[in-house]
Amino acid sequence: NAGVTQTPKFQVLKTGQSMTLQCAQDMNHEYMSWYRQDPGMGLRLIHYSVGAGITDQGEVPNGYNVSRSTTEDFPLRLLSAAPSQTSVYFCASRRQMNTEAFFGQGTRLTVV
Amino acid sequence: AQRVTQPEKLLSVFKGAPVELKCNYSYSGSPELFWYVQYSRQRLQLLLRHISRESIKGFTADLNKGETSFHLKKPFAQEEDSAMYYCALRDTGNQFYFGTGTSLTVIP
Repeated sequence: NAGVTQTPKFQVLKTGQSMTLQCAQDMNHEYMSWYRQDPGMGLRLIHYSVGAGITDQGEVPNGYNVSRSTTEDFPLRLLSAAPSQTSVYFCASRRQMNTEAFFGQGTRLTVV
Repeated sequence: AQRVTQPEKLLSVFKGAPVELKCNYSYSGSPELFWYVQYSRQRLQLLLRHISRESIKGFTADLNKGETSFHLKKPFAQEEDSAMYYCALRDTGNQFYFGTGTSLTVIP
């Protein structure tokens, strides 16, 4: 029972580089979200999706893109990494009518 | 505007002592409140939610609409309770808002 799987677990980028954080869930959940966790800030919503083909912005969307071509996958793209994007990123999913959210183990990203 | 406030960043209690992690929220509708826990090197996981009114691992939390609070309590803390605890609110638009978290340390 994999649940929510995030890859990679750790990543170091240079300023200006691009990369994609992967998130996959095997629970057939419709809702998927990306959060970033920063000291003293708690978890902040970046982008979310209510189903395949549908995405929307959260609290802190700038600098990030997402797509939802399948129910299972919800990748987060950084087109041009900046030091301010150094953070721990969590992906979460939940069934439409079930309010419990399942979280991945997180991706620790450092931008130098 | 911060919807969920956890005033304590760090909390230390002795084993066997009662523990209370505070959570206050700001929302005009009828929210659902949750507590999530993250043990060291593990993923964030749901601890309990107010609608189920259950006790998990000895923890309880009562939603007080008058005080807009959802404090997490346990009468006798255990060492394995040491973790990061997040209070969360789900609004009527199905979005989650998390507090900044409280790091609980239970001293042996």
